[in-house]
Parts: sequence; structure tokens; C-alpha cells
Amino acid sequence: QQPVQSPQAVILREGEDAVINCSSSKALYSVHWYRQKHGEAPIFLMILLKGGEQKGHDKISASFNEKKQQSSLYLTASQLSYSGTYFCGTEGVDSSYKLIFGSGTRLLVRP
Amino acid sequence: EAGVAQSPRYKIIEKRQSVAFWCNPISGHATLYWYQQILGQGPKLLIQFQNNGVVDDSQLPKDRFSAERLKGVDSTLKIQPAKLEDSAVYLCASSPDAWSDEKLFFGSGTQLSVL
Repeated sequence: QQPVQSPQAVILREGEDAVINCSSSKALYSVHWYRQKHGEAPIFLMILLKGGEQKGHDKISASFNEKKQQSSLYLTASQLSYSGTYFCGTEGVDSSYKLIFGSGTRLLVRP
Repeated sequence: EAGVAQSPRYKIIEKRQSVAFWCNPISGHATLYWYQQILGQGPKLLIQFQNNGVVDDSQLPKDRFSAERLKGVDSTLKIQPAKLEDSAVYLCASSPDAWSDEKLFFGSGTQLSVL
């Protein structure tokens, strides 16, 4: 089943923060986050595994709440380069490495 | 290292015609995926290969879509005959293996327009 992402779209000023959420009705083993710019391939951001810790690099981090089957992506002090569509991909505990992607969250960072 | 290569970049066909897409994954990657991405939506998994075997093709419309990865390296995805609703970007991705902590490397995709 496809994970649900929220919000569907968000507009920020440069330097502002944003949170993107991803929730599933199934028990999850892992959550992947990717960013895609218009006309380009999705680019990997990070993976969170069941039992793992919150991850992050630079000013982008993510958490995984196993009990709620939810993950959140945190973008702090956003930069113009953060603009794009963010997708979460979820792997169920019974789905053998099969990633199901959400519909995406469109992020626009303005100067 | 070279990325995932896909061709063609764009394809325009009329409904009921056939079309084929080609993907060459990153060297050494055992797992290869084909995703369909309709405008405004997330990628939808069509088929997953592990080497030259099919791991999952539950979402592949088998009456019109077929895919193969004969030597466990490059892969082709075919649509025959195409329908209007097949208009989408077809993304190929690969990963070193099918493990939960393996990230996917995507190609730039083939944008298909069915008229």
C-alpha cells in the first residue's frame, strides 16, 4: 500500500525550516527518502531502518517512528537548491526489499 | 563511476504501436528495477530483477508489458500495444543487491508520450 505524504506542497523563503511527513498503514522495516528535480532522476537522501537512529547530513535529517509507521524529513535553514519533489519509499516488514513510493511533496524555496 | 544509462530519452508513439526502452545499470549491481512515473505521482514499481531472475512483477500489466534481463546486466522493457494511459516517464534503477539498507541509483528516465 502506498505511503501517504504530507503536505502535498510547501513554499518557503530561503533560510526557513520545513517538515515533510510520510505515513504507512503497514508495519515498516525501512524508509527511504529521495529528492527529484524537474526532468531529472530521483537522488538518494537517506535510509532509516527499523531499530535505527535518526539520521542526517548537513541540514537535512530524518526520523522514523516504528510504532506509528511514520517518518519525517526535516529541512533546516533551507537553501534554494533544496527545491524539488521529495519522495518517501517504504518497505514493509513482509515485502522483501520492495520499495513503494508516496506521491511526493513539492518544495519550492524562494530567495 | 558511470551512472544508470537509459535510452531513448524521449519517445512519441501512437496508441496501439509498440515501444521498447533500454537500461544499463551500474556495473556490478545485481538488482534492477523498472518504475513507471505518471506526471505528478511517485514512481510505481513495475518489475524487480535480481541478476537475471524476476523477484517481483506483481504490478506489471502482463497483457501488454514485458521485460527481460537476459545476462543479468542490461534490461529492456517493452509495451505492445501501447495505450494512452501508458504516457509516463519510465525510470530504471539499480542497487548493489536487494537489501533494505541499499540505496537505489536512478537513471534519467525515458519520457513516453502516447498519442
